[in-house]
Amino acid sequence: EIVMTQSPATLSVSPGERATLSCRASQSVRSNVAWYQQKPGQAPRLLIYGALTRATDIPARFSGSGSGTEFTLTINSLQSEDFAVYYCHQYNNWPPAFGGGTKVEIE
Amino acid sequence: EVQLVESGGGLVQPGGSLRLSCAGSGFTLVTSSMNWVRQAPGKGLEWVSYISPSSSTTYYADSVKGRFTISRDKNSLYLQMNSLRAEDTAVYYCARGRGDFDFWGQGTLVTVSS
Repeated sequence: EIVMTQSPATLSVSPGERATLSCRASQSVRSNVAWYQQKPGQAPRLLIYGALTRATDIPARFSGSGSGTEFTLTINSLQSEDFAVYYCHQYNNWPPAFGGGTKVEIE
Repeated sequence: EVQLVESGGGLVQPGGSLRLSCAGSGFTLVTSSMNWVRQAPGKGLEWVSYISPSSSTTYYADSVKGRFTISRDKNSLYLQMNSLRAEDTAVYYCARGRGDFDFWGQGTLVTVSS
């Protein structure tokens, strides 16, 4: 089974600054990675699929990069509504696997 | 507008059973790949099960294999959960997709406790 490891567990950022979240796969998953945002009491929301393609209605300040085993989610100019938990997800191999999440909090 | 609405959660004793349902609207559920994903209180996401559009293919996480059964009909997705354990306590989400999961329901809480 593939293990997805996210870092850091918590990221403290000031509004307007950039946040960089990392996700590492235990073996190559090519570009078959998605990123989700989850706010308290809500379901996850798809942000990025195929490692770098924004989902419908996702603002351009969200961008994804990487392939193979190393992936990054970048959030430029953080807005108040961006403070949440972010998960990466590999769907290259069965079973699908999620990372443990990165909480982006207000500094 | 695509919507997924789960139901059927609740409090159940260890060893008991529960059947979750997920109703879809705004898209053709019967031709979509569907999943169940769960989230224990204060924890991360865990994929539970997948069913193909034709229902010919199903997959399960090792943690639920032999105890949970995924199924579907024209309008709804189901998860039959038997031999429930305390560690099955979680919010259960249905989610659409074969790769990425592009739409999720709001979740239904399952609590396994005596």
